[in-house]
Amino acid sequence: DAGITQSPRYKITETGRQVTLMCHQTWSHSYMFWYRQDLGHGLRLIYYSAAADITDKGEVPDGYVVSRSKTENFPLTLESATRSQTSVYFCASSPGRDEKLFFGSGTQLSVL
Amino acid sequence: DQQVKQNSPSLSVQEGRISILNCDYTNSMFDYFLWYKKYPAEGPTFLISISSIKDKNEDGRFTVFLNKSAKHLSLHIVPSQPGDSAVYFCAASLLTTGNQFYFGTGTSLTVIP
Repeated sequence: DAGITQSPRYKITETGRQVTLMCHQTWSHSYMFWYRQDLGHGLRLIYYSAAADITDKGEVPDGYVVSRSKTENFPLTLESATRSQTSVYFCASSPGRDEKLFFGSGTQLSVL
Repeated sequence: DQQVKQNSPSLSVQEGRISILNCDYTNSMFDYFLWYKKYPAEGPTFLISISSIKDKNEDGRFTVFLNKSAKHLSLHIVPSQPGDSAVYFCAASLLTTGNQFYFGTGTSLTVIP
């Protein structure tokens, strides 16, 4: 099915572990994004990518790593998870600069 | 520091009446604004947008108003329907930063049948 999919839907991990959240889109959109949603903060941009092999930091990049070797995939890695990274993570894509975002269904991550 | 603010965490409206959701921003350079709607356990979906060259944009029951001098935008839903019950986020972007959208904290709308 066309669209943007995230996996896993739910993830529980322990502090210090490495975790990778996956994001895949079938539209060939140039731009992809990772946001986290926290109560009282709304959606905050972690990283974004304008094209394959081009990534840039957003508002809250510390503790996260991204890569984009293929246009359709944009994985987000927490190198050493901390409790403060417990959140709902949304991946999004858009066809071009300043165009609306299309969001995935989210990954709920709990770090114990 | 929150550049886009939604000061009302929640709003309740009777079915058929008007819902007005408000959003304020601090950066006068923002030039593109969007509203997203989010149901529980789903990702946000795009609702309506407005560029800074306009002061109003309408799409069916949804109208967005932009007051650049006050750095304020609002979303009007008329008439409100129970299916409109969701969390609404406003977002703003700055052309020079490309696709960095700054989101507000959201307003939870409940439409009472």
